[in-house]
Amino acid sequence: QSVLTQPPSASGTPGQRVTISCSAGSSIIGDNYVHWYQHLPGTAPKVLIYRNDQRPFGVPDRFSGSKSGTSASLAISGLRSEDEGDYYCATWDDGLSGWVFGGGTKVTVL
Amino acid sequence: EVQLLESGGGVVQPGGSLRLSCAVSGFNFFNYAMTWVRQAPGKGLEWVASISDSGDDTYYADAVKGRFTISRDNSKNTLYLRTTSLRAEDTAIYYCAKDSWNVVRGVNWFDPWGQGTLVTVSS
Repeated sequence: QSVLTQPPSASGTPGQRVTISCSAGSSIIGDNYVHWYQHLPGTAPKVLIYRNDQRPFGVPDRFSGSKSGTSASLAISGLRSEDEGDYYCATWDDGLSGWVFGGGTKVTVL
Repeated sequence: EVQLLESGGGVVQPGGSLRLSCAVSGFNFFNYAMTWVRQAPGKGLEWVASISDSGDDTYYADAVKGRFTISRDNSKNTLYLRTTSLRAEDTAIYYCAKDSWNVVRGVNWFDPWGQGTLVTVSS
């Protein structure tokens, strides 16, 4: 069981907005940055959002991140078929001196 | 272009060992911390270990502490993961990733990642 909790699945039709939550029972999210990774079938994972809400060069502005208190969220607007895949939040746990990932959310485009 | 290429995976019996390698190019390897992350079949991503740019500082997940060793050879632009006392639950694709900074900190993110190498622990 992951320290960070994500819904196992999310779905929407093309063009819709989908939001994925990432929550923690402790203050680890509040104490550190949250990063989001996209893992599409047959590809290497890729950073989608870093430091809560920053988009790397080349990531479309359809993807946005936010953080408040002990939770964070990733929003995908204008959903497209190529967005189908798994999405993971991650943060540093000072108590463990290590990284923790959420369990992942599988996004399906209906 | 930044590239990371993992190798060394394979089928190994329980209790066996493997050394995974990650050859990098396209950036100053000696300036960045590096990380291994794995994904077991049908499961999510799991952090395994991280190492600072110099190799002086290493960090491990509890699940592998005492069995796995992360190291690097900056003269060869290569990251390693020595895995010993392997168990069935270590079966996974192992990815190496470049950290965004030279030390292992929560401000870092992983970018880019390699394509992974598959380790299968089975008798």
